[in-house]
Amino acid sequence: EVQLVESGGGLIQPGGSLRLSCAASGFTFRSYEMNWVRQAPGKGLEWVSGITKSGDTKYYADSVKGRFTISRDNAKNSLYLQMSSLRAEDTAVYYCARDMMAADGPAAFDYWGQGTLVTVST
Amino acid sequence: QSALTQPASVSGSPGQSITISCTGTSSDVGGYNYVSWYQQHPGKAPKLIIYDVTNRPSGVSNRFSGSKSGNTASLTISGLQSEDEAAYYCNSYTSSTTLVVFGGGTKLTVL
Repeated sequence: EVQLVESGGGLIQPGGSLRLSCAASGFTFRSYEMNWVRQAPGKGLEWVSGITKSGDTKYYADSVKGRFTISRDNAKNSLYLQMSSLRAEDTAVYYCARDMMAADGPAAFDYWGQGTLVTVST
Repeated sequence: QSALTQPASVSGSPGQSITISCTGTSSDVGGYNYVSWYQQHPGKAPKLIIYDVTNRPSGVSNRFSGSKSGNTASLTISGLQSEDEAAYYCNSYTSSTTLVVFGGGTKLTVL
C-alpha cells in the first residue's frame, strides 16, 4: 500500500525556518517525481515545489522561490522541504504528493499524504 | 489570484449532470493536454479523478469525465450523488517559470 506521511509542521515565528519531511513507503520511491502542495486555511490548493527522480532538477512556485528548498534522499525514501524566511502567508497544510507514472504530463498527483500544518505567527 | 479560473460554486440535484470549467491560457491549459482534476472532501487530502484531460485513474467512477476546448478544460459529473458534494480543483502543467498551476477550486453542492 502506497503511503506518504508528512511531519515537521508546527508553530513558527515570522522570519523563522522549518524543515518538513515526507516518508514514503509501498512503492519504489526513486522511480517517481515528487511534489509539495499547500492549502491555506479555508483556501484552495497551491503547488509549491517539485523535484525529479534523481533530485537533480527542482521547480518552485514564484511565491516561495529563494526561500524554500526541496530535496530528497532516495536511500531513505524521503522527501524534504526546507523553509526559511517564513511569512504569515505561508501558513497552510503542506501535502507531499506523488507524480503519476502512467500520466503523460507532470501535473497528475495520484497519491497524497495527510498533510502537516505549518502556522507562521507571533 | 489563482492562475486557472474556476467558478466558486456549482450545484445540482441528485441524478443530474453538472460541468465545472477551468480556464487558463495557451501557456498552460490550451497548450498542453496535461490537465488534471481532484476531488477534496472537508478535512481530507485531495483525490485524483481525471488526468491528461480525459483519463480516469483505476477505481474512479465513470460518472466523472473530462474534456478540453481551447484554453478551457471541463469536468462533468453525471448522475449526481450526495457523496459527490466536495470541492473540485483543476491543475495544469505550465510553460511559465513554475511547473504546475492550480485553479481556485469549485464547491459542488448536491441539493
